[in-house]
Amino acid sequence: SQTIHQWPATLVQPVGSPLSLECTVEGTSNPNLYWYRQAAGRGLQLLFYSVGIGQISSEVPQNLSASRPQDRQFILSSKKLLLSDSGFYLCAWNDGNAKNIQYFGAGTRLSVL
Amino acid sequence: GDSVTQMEGPVTLSEEACLTINCTYTATGYPSLFWYVQYPGEGLQLLLKATKADDKGSNKGFEATYRKETTSFHLEKGSVQVSDSAVYFCALSERGFGNEKLTFGTGTRLTIIP
Repeated sequence: SQTIHQWPATLVQPVGSPLSLECTVEGTSNPNLYWYRQAAGRGLQLLFYSVGIGQISSEVPQNLSASRPQDRQFILSSKKLLLSDSGFYLCAWNDGNAKNIQYFGAGTRLSVL
Repeated sequence: GDSVTQMEGPVTLSEEACLTINCTYTATGYPSLFWYVQYPGEGLQLLLKATKADDKGSNKGFEATYRKETTSFHLEKGSVQVSDSAVYFCALSERGFGNEKLTFGTGTRLTIIP
């Protein structure tokens, strides 16, 4: 069966520090991968998606970047965090044949202080 | 662009009460519609889905019917339990270039009191 892992679960970082969040998927190949952010009191915002290794599409301009160095690995990064980067970050995958269903990881709660 | 509008929360109900969480959408094509649920401290889980007009999705006692004429997908349950306390997200998806992007509503926090 397929599983998705995100880490860390929680993170507290000072403003200006770098960020690296990792997401890996097991039990499938060539998944579509997604990063979402859920800011306090707001819905989910799609940040990045990837349909293959090295292929990244950005949905909104921001202080973050994403990379996909391996088929089932998706990394969210920042060189210098801003206060506004605080939120709950969710990784998700979809195999393209599951009729639009996305499967989510447990999320990373990021607090930038 | 596509959008989803959900009933504002939070919603607090007593156990065994009836639940309706309203969801309406705007889309250019014929989207698939979803309800996802987020239990405390966890990621999102698919609750139910419908892929075409008049389809009814159902799971765990929850139901939602895809109403094209009113562009709605309201979530209903006849008798809620304390374990239903969570945040509920309505979402839609339109196929594009092999990537299935979801557009979410803002979420509705539901609290059930015993």
